[in-house]
Amino acid sequence: IAGITQAPTSQILAAGRRMTLRCTQDMRHNAMYWYRQDLGLGLRLIHYSNTAGTTGKGEVPDGYSVSRANTDDFPLTLASAVPSQTSVYFCASSDAPGSTDTQYFGPGTRLTVL
Amino acid sequence: GQNIDQPTEMTATEGAIVQINCTYQTSGFNGLFWYQQHAGEAPTFLSYNVLDGLEEKGRFSSFLSRSKGYSYLLLKELQMKDSASYLCAGMDSNYQLIWGAGTKLIIKP
Repeated sequence: IAGITQAPTSQILAAGRRMTLRCTQDMRHNAMYWYRQDLGLGLRLIHYSNTAGTTGKGEVPDGYSVSRANTDDFPLTLASAVPSQTSVYFCASSDAPGSTDTQYFGPGTRLTVL
Repeated sequence: GQNIDQPTEMTATEGAIVQINCTYQTSGFNGLFWYQQHAGEAPTFLSYNVLDGLEEKGRFSSFLSRSKGYSYLLLKELQMKDSASYLCAGMDSNYQLIWGAGTKLIIKP
C-alpha cells in the first residue's frame, strides 16, 4: 500500500507559469488537504476537500485552486506562479471529515518559483 | 486569534529525557496532536490528546491540560534517530488543525 503519493518531488518554475501538483491516495479516505510549509512557520492549510465533488478554502487559498473529481485524486494548481509561492507543499488525507481522525501526509513537493 | 507556541530548537543527550512544551489558543478545541518530522520528510503522527492527563506510548508520552492551554511531549531514552522536528497542532471547533512552527530536537552523543 503506497498511502499518499505526490508528484513531482521537486520543481523549479519560472514566475508566471502554470503548474499542477498531483496528489493521489489509495486509502479510500474521504477528506484530503493541501498544506504549505515555510521555514519558521507552521503548516498552513491552502484548500481542503471533505468528499469527492466538494472543496473548501483554507487559511491561505489565494493564487491556488483545487478540484476533487474522485476519491483518490486531489490536484493543486497554481494558475500563475509567483516567487512567494516558493515552499514545500504537502498533501494529506483523513478518513472522516469533520472529525478528530489522524491526517496522513504525502512525501511533499519542493517548489521553487524564480 | 488562534495560535500555537513551541520552542524553536532544543538540544539533548542520547539516553536522556527531554520535554517539549506547547501552548495553544484555538477557537473551540477538539484535541491536541503531536507529529514527528525528519528533515526532508513528511510529518508522521505521534499522539492525540483530548482529555486532561498523560498518554503513554512506549518511549513517548504526551500530556494535556485544557484549563491551561498546555501540552507537552516527553521523549525518554533518547536515540539518535529521534533527531527531528516535533510539530504541535491544535484542532479547532471546525476540526481544522492549527500548527505550531515545530521544535527542532538535536540529539548529541
